[in-house]
Amino acid sequence: GQNIDQPTEMTATEGAIVQINCTYQTSGFNGLFWYQQHAGEAPTFLSYNVLDGLEEKGRFSSFLSRSKGYSYLLLKELQMKDSASYLCPILTGGGNKLTFGTGTQLKVEL
Amino acid sequence: EPEVTQTPSHQVTQMGQEVILRCVPISNHLYFYWYRQILGQKVEFLVSFYNNEISEKSEIFDDQFSVERPDGSNFTLKIRSTKLEDSAMYFCASSEPQGGYEQYFGPGTRLTVT
Repeated sequence: GQNIDQPTEMTATEGAIVQINCTYQTSGFNGLFWYQQHAGEAPTFLSYNVLDGLEEKGRFSSFLSRSKGYSYLLLKELQMKDSASYLCPILTGGGNKLTFGTGTQLKVEL
Repeated sequence: EPEVTQTPSHQVTQMGQEVILRCVPISNHLYFYWYRQILGQKVEFLVSFYNNEISEKSEIFDDQFSVERPDGSNFTLKIRSTKLEDSAMYFCASSEPQGGYEQYFGPGTRLTVT
């Protein structure tokens, strides 16, 4: 089976940098995604990592270490609208199944 | 920008009834998915669909669910004999054929079983 662990909640200050960690255990790995989900809304795509290393996309960067089963999402220049849940589903199997954890609820404060 | 659409946005049904949730995936996408999210819980995979057949399904899928692509644009999820615990947000998603592509999620259908 698959298991994903993330901190439940984090709080950060507007304008700051925050790192959200994600660890996973799985048999069969085809990549890891980061999605943002505001309450009552659909998840929206942030990034995809399948090889080790850092992927940068504007204010967001995502890192993957396959040997450690570890990823993080780095958010820079935090804005109030970044307050949301951050999900790191892993992609497994031939059916493109995404397995989600419970996510990290980020609160950005003034 | 193309998007996945879902109807209805909110469905209320009585326990034991059958419901059909509808989705229109992005037109050039070939992989389709259903996920659900019970309030306060994690997003849960139900099924993936490719080339007019199920690619992968969850352990609970066969108990109550079925999917269909009745025409070239719609993708439906049927829930048979609904239970109170089926109350959740149901998300449809679609993606391009290869696995590394983003799954675009629709806005969801909130199903309330009373």
